[in-house]
Amino acid sequence: GAVVSQHPSWVICKSGTSVKIECRSLDFQATTMFWYRQFPKQSLMLMATSNEGSKATYEQGVEKDKFLINHASLTLSTLTVTSAHPEDSSFYICSARVGGKNTEAFFGQGTRLTVV
Amino acid sequence: AQTVTQSQPEMSVQEAETVTLSCTYDTSESDYYLFWYKQPPSRQMILVIRQEAYKQQNATENRFSVNFQKAAKSFSLKISDSQLGDAAMYFCAYRTSDSGYALNFGKGTSLLVTP
Repeated sequence: GAVVSQHPSWVICKSGTSVKIECRSLDFQATTMFWYRQFPKQSLMLMATSNEGSKATYEQGVEKDKFLINHASLTLSTLTVTSAHPEDSSFYICSARVGGKNTEAFFGQGTRLTVV
Repeated sequence: AQTVTQSQPEMSVQEAETVTLSCTYDTSESDYYLFWYKQPPSRQMILVIRQEAYKQQNATENRFSVNFQKAAKSFSLKISDSQLGDAAMYFCAYRTSDSGYALNFGKGTSLLVTP
């Protein structure tokens, strides 16, 4: 399958600072990227969907000013957690797919964010 | 609301035995895809098997097969000849064009494989 690389794998940041997470499709052009959040021992919850060159569509309850998503190219999407707080500590996972209803979405390795 | 229900938080199976993980879903869409994903301790999501709703034949991938009952909105996963490496969280998911092709996940089933 295709490869999606997410970086960093883990990050610790101080409360009040911002942190950026990158999601790259290494061997295909991703027209759509998805960002999920996973709390310990829980399921993946969709945060937002981003299409290349467009503004991201956020799920209800997700603060778009706090979780800034940029999808400026067909191979890169970034999630920036602004003014992070301890409650933002979580596991963030991206996935990417090419357009077309029968195509797969491939997942990055995830990023464990700890805000102290 | 569109939902996925996995009623078994934990399951246990002995090595070489067969186990079935259950999943039910609710959608008003007629065109959708169903998936089972495995998440080992590394937390990398791995696609196990997928099923197109318009296909009547149950999907099979080596030791993994599904029982897709469209009318009942049921999509169970059978793992045959279980191996120690099958131990993981298993998530049932579906996607529709209405959801922008994002995956809607169940809460997961933790599978323990004992020697």
